[in-house]
Amino acid sequence: DGGITQSPKYLFRKEGQNVTLSCEQNLNHDAMYWYRQDPGQGLRLIYYSQIVNDFQKGDIAEGYSVSREKKESFPLTVTSAQKNPTAFYLCASSMAFRYSGYTFGSGTRLTVV
Amino acid sequence: ELKVEQNPLFLSMQEGKNYTIYCNYSTTSDRLYWYRQDPGKSLESLFVLLSNGAVKQEGRLMASLDTKARLSTLHITAAVHDLSATYFCAVDNRNSGNTPLVFGKGTRLSVIA
Repeated sequence: DGGITQSPKYLFRKEGQNVTLSCEQNLNHDAMYWYRQDPGQGLRLIYYSQIVNDFQKGDIAEGYSVSREKKESFPLTVTSAQKNPTAFYLCASSMAFRYSGYTFGSGTRLTVV
Repeated sequence: ELKVEQNPLFLSMQEGKNYTIYCNYSTTSDRLYWYRQDPGKSLESLFVLLSNGAVKQEGRLMASLDTKARLSTLHITAAVHDLSATYFCAVDNRNSGNTPLVFGKGTRLSVIA
């Protein structure tokens, strides 16, 4: 079955550490997105990518980095520059023309310890 | 810049009652999506509305789109506890190229006995 997989489900980060969240899709979708969700809040766009080897900053890109070396994969690195990284991170993908909107992964819950 | 407003943001309703959630947006669009999010979970696609006058129904939920009024509604009929969740609308701003969907802040619905 096609889908979008995020791993790990839970992640703990120590102060000053970089961590990478994985997002893989086998839907043959062109575009991929990363969102951050804080408790009781809506979605905030971090980065997105429309095609391989290209990506754009979203509304809250500072302290995060991404790569898009393969169509299937869009990993997100939370760097030590992100001072308040504790949140729920959601990855999504879509076809270029988005007739069906986004498909979301199951999310990664990141906690700073 | 496209802005999407949902109201209400919080809704507590009794089982068996009817209610409507509203999603207003600020620029022309004919594509709108509704998602459901259960606590601690990811977003699940509910409805895809792709033209003016589109109406979709699934169980006790019905969504409609009026592109002239820039308004979508999500109507809940005879609410049951299982409908308790957060509901998001998202609008596709095709006039600005293939930019990401713009999400509303979500409506947190609580159905009580």
